[in-house]
Amino acid sequence: GAGVSQSPSNKVTEKGKDVELRCDPISGHTALYWYRQSLGQGLEFLIYFQGNSAPDKSGLPSDRFSAERTGGSVSTLTIQRTQQEDSAVYLCASSQGQRNEKLFFGSGTQLSVL
Amino acid sequence: AQSVTQLGSHVSVSEGALVLLRCNYSSSVPPYLFWYVQYPNQGLQLLLKYTSAATLVKGINGFEAEFKKSETSFHLTKPSAHMSDAAEYFCAVSGAGNQFYFGTGTSLTVIP
Repeated sequence: GAGVSQSPSNKVTEKGKDVELRCDPISGHTALYWYRQSLGQGLEFLIYFQGNSAPDKSGLPSDRFSAERTGGSVSTLTIQRTQQEDSAVYLCASSQGQRNEKLFFGSGTQLSVL
Repeated sequence: AQSVTQLGSHVSVSEGALVLLRCNYSSSVPPYLFWYVQYPNQGLQLLLKYTSAATLVKGINGFEAEFKKSETSFHLTKPSAHMSDAAEYFCAVSGAGNQFYFGTGTSLTVIP
């Protein structure tokens, strides 16, 4: 596609429910990142996929968070047993995989946990 | 380890005045540095980047930034603010392992 696509754009869920957030990166981009954006907290790194390498999961805040990337393309971020503090905008970005390359961001998923 | 500190979570300037947004970084490897902008209700987009070529980098919309290794800084400037510059600005550093670390952002308000 022309850009990074994220779905849904908005998700409202009840505390304790599981949610899945989807990211379609730009075709051909080998690197895919997930960030969480909370008010006043900037962009918090969650997880990074690069090609067929093992993902860097060092930013995941708890074991309720997981992500996978199928076929080196689409990625799904799963949050189990959601908590109110999980409410944030979840951003996905992709790039060609070099550290001097810019990131292309999606519009994000606004998650609200009631 | 890599990190970014943005001084000032909120900056207000008058239209036509100088814009200065501060960014200091820490990196264990020669850094690549970026400024991204997020306009209201839009996604983040790249303003400019430093990748070890010229230390003074020019970006879109009249913005520029200067890499100063001795000060570990990469401040963003624009000589004359425009109303359309009102946005959230993020500084980022790319270090080892292709990781990108972002600052907490600076919200720029332009006063008419």
